[in-house]
Amino acid sequence: EVVLVESGGALVQPGGSLRLSCAASGFIFSNHYMDWVRQAPGKGLEWVGRVRNKPSSYTTEYAASVRGRFTISRDDSISSLFLQMNSLKTDDTAVYYCARSWTSGTHGALDIWGQGTMVTVSS
Amino acid sequence: DIQMTQSPSSLSASVGDRVTITCRASQGIRNDLGWYQQKPGKAPKRLIYAASSLESGVPSRFSGSGSGTEFTLTISGLQPEDSATYYCLQRNNYPLTFGQGTKVEIK
Repeated sequence: EVVLVESGGALVQPGGSLRLSCAASGFIFSNHYMDWVRQAPGKGLEWVGRVRNKPSSYTTEYAASVRGRFTISRDDSISSLFLQMNSLKTDDTAVYYCARSWTSGTHGALDIWGQGTMVTVSS
Repeated sequence: DIQMTQSPSSLSASVGDRVTITCRASQGIRNDLGWYQQKPGKAPKRLIYAASSLESGVPSRFSGSGSGTEFTLTISGLQPEDSATYYCLQRNNYPLTFGQGTKVEIK
């Protein structure tokens, strides 16, 4: 069974930092691109960013709202994805989901999602 | 950025009704579009990929169509368990962008 499990969500003060993790199982993690998506309370879905796989040099893409503050990385040896969040703002309060994407072909993006982890930025 | 305009924002329909949700892209995205269903407190679930391909295990009453800038999700024969919010997603260009969502309620 393909499963993604996020962890690391917490209450953090504005200006603080937090690192989220996503543990993958049931598929060949290294073959896929991986994404983060967030959802503020009562709001819609917002794509945060992506890390490609080794053949694509682990390059990354980010939404403008987080570029320069958030860093996405991965460790294929332990099938894990990470989101390092710095200089957090109250607007970053959201449930954060990790999701799997395909590198090419019609299967596209964000086919499998984790259950999400809550990040609250508040003083 | 490619803007995805989804309509309606909400609808109420009866069991057995045919329901249609539309997404319009601000520029052509070929068929690089997916549809997602999200129930309260749960992660989104992909229903449709490549605009019209049904995800494995998804009931056949769900269907998608369109290409370029206009796309539709149709539920043929609405069921009580279809009460949810539905989102479209374009993956043609960065940043990936979602529609604003359509909340479907059962009368």
